[in-house]
Amino acid sequence: AQKITQTQPGMFVQEKEAVTLDCTYDTSDPSYGLFWYKQPSSGEMIFLIYQGSYDQQNATEGRYSLNFQKARKSANLVISASQLGDSAMYFCAMRELSNTDKLIFGTGTRLQVFP
Amino acid sequence: SQTIHQWPATLVQPVGSPLSLECTVEGTSNPNLYWYRQAAGRGLQLLFYSVGIGQISSEVPQNLSASRPQDRQFILSSKKLLLSDSGFYLCAWTRGRGTGELFFGEGSRLTVL
Repeated sequence: AQKITQTQPGMFVQEKEAVTLDCTYDTSDPSYGLFWYKQPSSGEMIFLIYQGSYDQQNATEGRYSLNFQKARKSANLVISASQLGDSAMYFCAMRELSNTDKLIFGTGTRLQVFP
Repeated sequence: SQTIHQWPATLVQPVGSPLSLECTVEGTSNPNLYWYRQAAGRGLQLLFYSVGIGQISSEVPQNLSASRPQDRQFILSSKKLLLSDSGFYLCAWTRGRGTGELFFGEGSRLTVL
């Protein structure tokens, strides 16, 4: 069954440091996509980065990069040079592409950036 | 450009009353549509998704239902609300069978008293 796991309920990082948010997944579909979203206190969902299961290189978007380890079924988000505005909930999500079109989310990690 | 809107933004309802949340997408055709619920401080739980008109897949058995009467309209309903239905409801869409991201509506905050 399709499953997403985020084992870190909360993380702290000092401003300007890098932080890694963990995400593991499980699926029997050979074709899938992995997403990361940011949810600030306002509640809006902000798309950060996408990784396809057949992509050869790790995805990067500005200060965000996705450490994709297919054999380990992990898709960790790395935020470099953290900023105070990065404080938010972060959700990992997966979409199966061959079978259903379900897109499910992990339970999230609350990141707090301190000065 | 594509836009998604859901309403109402905030709703306070008594236990046992009905519910209707509406979501519409503009600027695209045949989108996949999703309803998620987020309890306070928790993750997003997939409630329903639809890949076409009249096609609804339910993920969690509960007293909620969904309908898709038109291509770009997705409605979440309940005949009798429970206290446990309180939460933040998010509608979202994505292009069918592709690798595209999920685009979210503004969310509807439901409080059942």
